[in-house]
Amino acid sequence: NAGVTQTPKFRVLKTGQSMTLLCAQDMNHEYMYWYRQDPGMGLRLIHYSVGEGTTAKGEVPDGYNVSRLKKQNFLLGLESAAPSQTSVYFCASTLSGLFSGELFFGEGSRLTVL
Amino acid sequence: GNSVTQMEGPVTLSEEAFLTINCTYTATGYPSLFWYVQYPGEGLQLLLKATKADDKGSNKGFEATYRKETTSFHLEKGSVQVSDSAVYFCALSANAGGTSYGKLTFGQGTILTVHP
Repeated sequence: NAGVTQTPKFRVLKTGQSMTLLCAQDMNHEYMYWYRQDPGMGLRLIHYSVGEGTTAKGEVPDGYNVSRLKKQNFLLGLESAAPSQTSVYFCASTLSGLFSGELFFGEGSRLTVL
Repeated sequence: GNSVTQMEGPVTLSEEAFLTINCTYTATGYPSLFWYVQYPGEGLQLLLKATKADDKGSNKGFEATYRKETTSFHLEKGSVQVSDSAVYFCALSANAGGTSYGKLTFGQGTILTVHP
């Protein structure tokens, strides 16, 4: 059982380039999330989705777009990368309904913007 | 808004030492509280949780008690091992009428290193 899989795991971009991070989960979870992790700041929520075809803004959505065309996939896009978006990005998912508190995380994607 | 504050790190201990990582929170209503752990090169995983005041969460020898009067959820372990070296995150989920959608607010994380 793969759980939550993120691709790519590492990427280096130049300022202004675009890219998409893919998150795939095989647990039939309704809710999916994108977080970014920065030193000394913990994890901050970028965008989230409560089901196929839905997306919503989190705490730090500027500069990012997302799509949830299929229930198992949640894509995070950077249209014009900036050095401030250098970070480690984590995707997570959970079953909907009564929230147990357990998010299932991918292994992370390290993005460097030069 | 909601916030979580953890003690400054990093924390360095010898094997079998006692561990405390402090966590305090600010939230409206009655949040649920969690500790997540991140081992090197991996994503976060749930370590323990408590959903109401005075609840004690426990797992793998770690414990934390939900203290509403002091808005705290300190993580403790009586005897740490080298394998406990990781980053520990305190987090909360606001139970605001069921509309929290599983969103977690995380603390900044505390790096723990345990030496043999």
